[in-house]
Amino acid sequence: EVQLVESGGGLVKPGGSLRLSCAASGFTFSSYTINWVRQAPGKGLEWVSSITSGSEYTYYAGSVEGRFTISRDNAKNSLYLQMNSLRVEDTAVYYCARDGMLDFWGQGTLVTVSS
Amino acid sequence: DIQMTQSPSSLSASVGDRVTITCRASQSISRYLNWFQQKPGKAPKLLIYGASSLQSGVPSRFSGSGSGTDFTLTISTLQPEDFATYYCQQGHSNPVTFGQGTKVEIK
Repeated sequence: EVQLVESGGGLVKPGGSLRLSCAASGFTFSSYTINWVRQAPGKGLEWVSSITSGSEYTYYAGSVEGRFTISRDNAKNSLYLQMNSLRVEDTAVYYCARDGMLDFWGQGTLVTVSS
Repeated sequence: DIQMTQSPSSLSASVGDRVTITCRASQSISRYLNWFQQKPGKAPKLLIYGASSLQSGVPSRFSGSGSGTDFTLTISTLQPEDFATYYCQQGHSNPVTFGQGTKVEIK
């Protein structure tokens, strides 16, 4: 069974940093592009970033470019999102999702940026 | 960036109704269009990929059509468990973009 489990969310002050993790199981993690997608409270879905299977390429939404860094460790079946210079508008549930089709999603982890 | 526009933003329907949601891309995306269902407090679930292919395990009352810039999600006979928010998403080019969502509510 494909599983994606996010962790690392929490409350952080504006300007602070946070590192999210996504633990994968039930499939060959190293064969897939993985994405981060977020959803602000009461709002729609916003793609944040993606990384190809061997970390060859990374992509970012304009709203996070230069502040967020996506990475992965295929030996640990894990995906990461390092978030720096956090803003109030980064408050959201952050999901990891598999592949370009976004065919499997984790349950999400809540990041709250507030003073 | 490719903009995705869904209509309507919300609709009220009854169990048994036929429901159609449309999604328009700001430029041609061929058939790189996916549809998702999201229920409150849950992660989105992939329903349709490649504009018209049904994801494994999704009931056959869901169908998708379209290509280029205009796409449609149809629920042939609405069931109680189908009341949710639906999103289209283009995977043609980065950045990946979603429609704003269509909330299907009980009439």
